[in-house]
Amino acid sequence: QKEVEQNSGPLSVPEGAIASLNCTYSDRVSQSFFWYRQYSGKSPELIMSIYSNGDKEDGRFTAQLNKASQYVSLLIRDSQPSDSATYLCAVGKSSGDKLTFGTGTRLAVRP
Amino acid sequence: EAGVAQSPRYKIIEKRQSVAFWCNPISGHATLYWYQQILGQGPKLLIQFQNNGVVDDSQLPKDRFSAERLKGVDSTLKIQPAKLEDSAVYLCASSLSPGTGTFYEQYFGPGTRLTVT
Repeated sequence: QKEVEQNSGPLSVPEGAIASLNCTYSDRVSQSFFWYRQYSGKSPELIMSIYSNGDKEDGRFTAQLNKASQYVSLLIRDSQPSDSATYLCAVGKSSGDKLTFGTGTRLAVRP
Repeated sequence: EAGVAQSPRYKIIEKRQSVAFWCNPISGHATLYWYQQILGQGPKLLIQFQNNGVVDDSQLPKDRFSAERLKGVDSTLKIQPAKLEDSAVYLCASSLSPGTGTFYEQYFGPGTRLTVT
């Protein structure tokens, strides 16, 4: 079992729709959870962090965490073509700890 | 605020040659990480520094890879000799020092794309 699992996609959604990206992790002691966006040929860019159960909203992005189910998700509302990228889920055991990344989900937003 | 700086951005070498990458973290960030990202995969940690001390180098191939962070600021990652499978993007990231009950986020530099032929 992989430590952090993501569906590789591609996930294709029409412009204006909600994109839902999912991630599961295997280590129950994980405490920090991140979503990074990576455009082709670029480095990962942090877009969301979440540390406690529930939802966290920032603009068009909402991160959801369920530690009991070991599940974290990212919702992108009003998807734009500029959101087309690979989204990496990353998990850490504690503050300042190394991050374990999933392989990423490729999102394509159709105009 | 300036981000994480890395150089060079691209490097092409032949197998068995050596190469070095440089990283300057965000000002004030005591923790520095080197990750390797192979095409189609997520980044994988190679080594983590806290100031100038090594916190985790469990996944660093020590027979060919070495890293240092003198004076607790800049860092250099070296590969000698390089193999074909070392072709990847080498990412440097930094974060503030971990504190009890406080979580700090990691920010990545632009990366160095290494091609070994």
